[in-house]
Amino acid sequence: GENVEQHPSTLSVQEGDSAVIKCTYSDSASNYFPWYKQELGKGPQLIIDIRSNVGEKKDQRIAVTLNKTAKHFSLHITETQPEDSAVYFCAAFSNTGNQFYFGTGTSLTVIP
Amino acid sequence: DSGVTQTPKHLITATGQRVTLRCSPRSGDLSVYWYQQSLDQGLQFLIQYYNGEERAKGNILERFSAQQFPDLHSELNLSSLELGDSALYFCASSVDGTEEIQYFGPGTRLLVL
Repeated sequence: GENVEQHPSTLSVQEGDSAVIKCTYSDSASNYFPWYKQELGKGPQLIIDIRSNVGEKKDQRIAVTLNKTAKHFSLHITETQPEDSAVYFCAAFSNTGNQFYFGTGTSLTVIP
Repeated sequence: DSGVTQTPKHLITATGQRVTLRCSPRSGDLSVYWYQQSLDQGLQFLIQYYNGEERAKGNILERFSAQQFPDLHSELNLSSLELGDSALYFCASSVDGTEEIQYFGPGTRLLVL
């Protein structure tokens, strides 16, 4: 089945700096890649997603890039703010398994 | 607020017991997913239902079962509970259960003592 790996597991950045989180996947049949933000005590919330027919997508300070050949995708957060501090999960939807596979999460801390 | 509701928010029980977690999907969503999130792990997919039928199965133990009712709400039943079952259990819903956006509920925190 699909295997999604996510790095780093923890990340600390100064407010205003950029943060990058990377994920790799193994199943070439995966075609949809969402990113979720989970704040303490809450459920994951979708922040951005990308489909396999697109290489990059941007939404204000958040962007996602996808390299289908290398089977990796990344989340980029620019001009980080303290409220960006949370756990971020990447996921891949595999048509082979007909389900979502999640990375193990990245705990992002933005230092004021 | 995602529109997905889960009850109860917290549950404390003893080993060997049985509990039922409940989920109501967003209005219009036909598919429901259940996930387990333990302390050191990410989200582990358990099971998915679409319009009352089981669609996909993940790492769900035989002691666990689920169902989706005609009104589309879903229940996850956990029996013969063990200490290791202590975790956050999330329900998510999507429109049709394919590669579509999932909306997560706030979760049920289960503590098995």
